[in-house]
Amino acid sequence: KNQVEQSPQSLIILEGKNCTLQCNYTVSPFSNLRWYKQDTGRGPVSLTIMTFSENTKSNGRYTATLDADTKQSSLHITASQLSDSASYICVVSAENTDKLIFGTGTRLQVFP
Amino acid sequence: NAGVMQNPRHLVRRRGQEARLRCSPMKGHSHVYWYRQLPEEGLKFMVYLQKENIIDESGMPKERFSAEFPKEGPSILRIQQVVRGDSAAYFCASSPSRLSNQPQHFGDGTRLSIL
Repeated sequence: KNQVEQSPQSLIILEGKNCTLQCNYTVSPFSNLRWYKQDTGRGPVSLTIMTFSENTKSNGRYTATLDADTKQSSLHITASQLSDSASYICVVSAENTDKLIFGTGTRLQVFP
Repeated sequence: NAGVMQNPRHLVRRRGQEARLRCSPMKGHSHVYWYRQLPEEGLKFMVYLQKENIIDESGMPKERFSAEFPKEGPSILRIQQVVRGDSAAYFCASSPSRLSNQPQHFGDGTRLSIL
């Protein structure tokens, strides 16, 4: 069964600190992996998209990594800001399908 | 605002009524996807449409739910005879071409509450 699991479920950090969020998936055959940021009451916003051949991709203070062999991905946030408080969702797409499979997200709270 | 527009943002219906959710994709996007998000759960795919065609509706409940994306106007997700379990946030996303590695742009959702 195609699944996406994320950890931790929630995370609290202080402003300025770094953090890393994890994603494991069992989706096969793999096409691409995406990280989205979802603010409370808003729709998800795309941060990165990585295909099988990409190991890392950055978007400002966000850096995503992908290990297609172990089917793991991480999202690293550097020098966190209060505005980083949101849910971060890992999403995987399988080949030959139009569906995205969503994880349940990691809820990040950044405190001053 | 050239983003994906969904309306209404909040919708309250009584059991047995009909709910109509609208989605206007980004300009130039002809591919629309609908998702449902239950509290504390991840988004779940419902249906994928391209102008005037349903491409994949494998995530749609077989009864009471329907979707359309007419040649002119927004995409509509229609829920007939709503029940309490239909209470959820419904998100629409659009892309300029078939999924592949294209980012999907999401609207801010319609929050449906069933009394």
